[in-house]
This record gives sequence, C-alpha cells and structure tokens, in this order.
Amino acid sequence: GIQVEQSPPDLILQEGANSTLRCNFSDSVNNLQWFHQNPWGQLINLFYIPSGTKQNGRLSATTVATERYSLLYISSSQTTDSGVYFCAVERTNSNSGYALNFGKGTSLLVTP
Amino acid sequence: AAGVIQSPRHLIKEKRETATLKCYPIPRHDTVYWYQQGPGQDPQFLISFYEKMQSDKGSIPDRFSAQQFSDYHSELNMSSLELGDSALYFCASSGRLAGGSYEQYFGPGTRLTVT
Repeated sequence: GIQVEQSPPDLILQEGANSTLRCNFSDSVNNLQWFHQNPWGQLINLFYIPSGTKQNGRLSATTVATERYSLLYISSSQTTDSGVYFCAVERTNSNSGYALNFGKGTSLLVTP
Repeated sequence: AAGVIQSPRHLIKEKRETATLKCYPIPRHDTVYWYQQGPGQDPQFLISFYEKMQSDKGSIPDRFSAQQFSDYHSELNMSSLELGDSALYFCASSGRLAGGSYEQYFGPGTRLTVT
C-alpha cells in the first residue's frame, strides 16, 4: 500500500508566525486530503487536493503529484490553529472502497 | 449543510461486553467508511460499504462486524470488547461512485472507553 510520511512530527510556533507542513507519499494517488484534528478530537476537512494549489483564508495547499508530495501552508498562525494536522491519501490495491491511508500527523502548538 | 452523524458520541463499556455504533452519512452519499483511532495514533481504516455491500476491508478484528442498511445508515458491532478497543471511532462518507467527488467527510466520532 501507499506509504505516507509527514514532517515535521512536532512544531511550536508563536502566534503570527508562518509554517509549512510536508507530506510525502510513495505512489500515485487519486485522493489526497489534509485534515486538522482539534483538541476535542474532531477531524476537520481542510483541503481535498490530489493535485494543484488551493487557498482558504490563511491556509493554502499545494500537491505536486508527479513528485509525490504535498505542502500545507499556515500563515499568521493563531492559537486556534493548534492541534494535529493529518495528510491522508487513497489506499491502493483495492478494487473499490478507496479508504484513506493517514500519515502520522504533525502536532502543532501555537503559543500566545 | 448536512454532515455525517454518529451516535452515541461517548460510550463506556466493560470488558467482554458488546457495543453498537451508528453512522448516518451525508444525504446522497453512497459510500461509508469506518476508521479507528487509538490514543496518540493516526486513524486506521476498518471497513467500507458501497450501496449496502461491503466494498473494502482493512484491519478490522474478527470480533467486529458492520453493515449498511437500506436507508444507507451503517452500524459497527463490536463484541467481546477488550481494553485495547478503547479508541475514537470515525465514520466517513463520500459520493464518489455516484459521480461525486472523491473527498471523504468525517463525522464527529464516537469515543469508546472499555473498562
């Protein structure tokens, strides 16, 4: 199956700073999603981005499918951005179902 | 917009008991997925259904079973619960095979604690 590696595993930022999270994957993908898991455990969809670039407010993401990586940019970070950011890609070798294979996540703490 | 609904949100069971988790997908979504997330871990795929038929299977224990009903809601049944089953269980849905996006939308999760 597809291997998903995220970096860095942990990140501490001061409020207002910018950051870049990276996701490397080992094979071509049909689906790549970024999630934010907040301290209450909710998984919040950030981007569905198998290729290209998208922006949503202070967040943006870029996936370069040919080079098998995706980047999540957080600008002007706020304390509410704290939590774990997961990259997930569609699992291979299944005829249907297309379950997501998650990376280990980047744990982000934004301090005041 | 309607989201994925899961119930209950919290559940406490004792070892060897059974538990049933319910999931109501987004209307018109045809595929339902179940994931398990242990403490400090990433979510792991358990099982999925398309149009009420099992479509894929991940690392689901034999003690667990699931099905999707005619109204598209799904239930995850867990028997002979073990301490290690304590986790956050997510249901997700997508409308990909009905011509929709491949994007999966996750419910709020059910937090199961086995004592």
